[in-house]
Amino acid sequence: QVQLVESGGGLVKPGGSLRLSCAASGFTFSDYYMSWIRQAPGKGLEWVSYISSSGSTIYYADSVKGRFTISRDNAKNSLYLQMNSLRAEDTAVYYCARVMDTNGFDYWGQGTLVTVSS
Amino acid sequence: QSVLTQPPSVSGAPGQRVTISCTGSSSNIGAGYDVHWYQQLPGTAPKLLIYGNSNRPSGVPDRFSGSKSGTSASLAITGLQAEDEADYYCQSYDSSLSAFYVFGTGTKVTVL
Repeated sequence: QVQLVESGGGLVKPGGSLRLSCAASGFTFSDYYMSWIRQAPGKGLEWVSYISSSGSTIYYADSVKGRFTISRDNAKNSLYLQMNSLRAEDTAVYYCARVMDTNGFDYWGQGTLVTVSS
Repeated sequence: QSVLTQPPSVSGAPGQRVTISCTGSSSNIGAGYDVHWYQQLPGTAPKLLIYGNSNRPSGVPDRFSGSKSGTSASLAITGLQAEDEADYYCQSYDSSLSAFYVFGTGTKVTVL
């Protein structure tokens, strides 16, 4: 069965960095586009970033552009999100999700909490 | 940053029918892009409920149905059950420069 497991969240000071990982299993990871989506405490869902199956095409939300970097290692069935220059407003649960060919998200991880606070 | 508008809350008694609207614009739903719906139970990750406007993934009860018309979409829950109490989000693709995937503002469904 498809499984996505995020890790790497935690408490970080404003201006700091964090790297999130998402381990995928149960499907051919290299065949699928992937995304990161976040949810601030008590708030709605916000799409963060997208990467194509080969990693050649990448998009970011304006709110993280220039600070976050998405990447993937198909040999390790893993997705990553490098987050730099973190701000308080980046505090959220970060989910990795598999992208469907209809541009929806059919599988989600359990999420990892990132807290940016001094 | 949500560009799809949903009502903050809807409620209904067990067995009733409730609908949730999702209003977009000419750069997303109105441009013909598919709408997807997610259910988020308290303390859990979102789960795909409806994809491609009106299709249910395997395992989703047929009490849930989706439709789309013009710049809007709707999710209907018939025969409302206690376990349907959750947050629901619509989502689509957006062709504007400032967004790629967009989510709705979210709707809390309360079973009275």
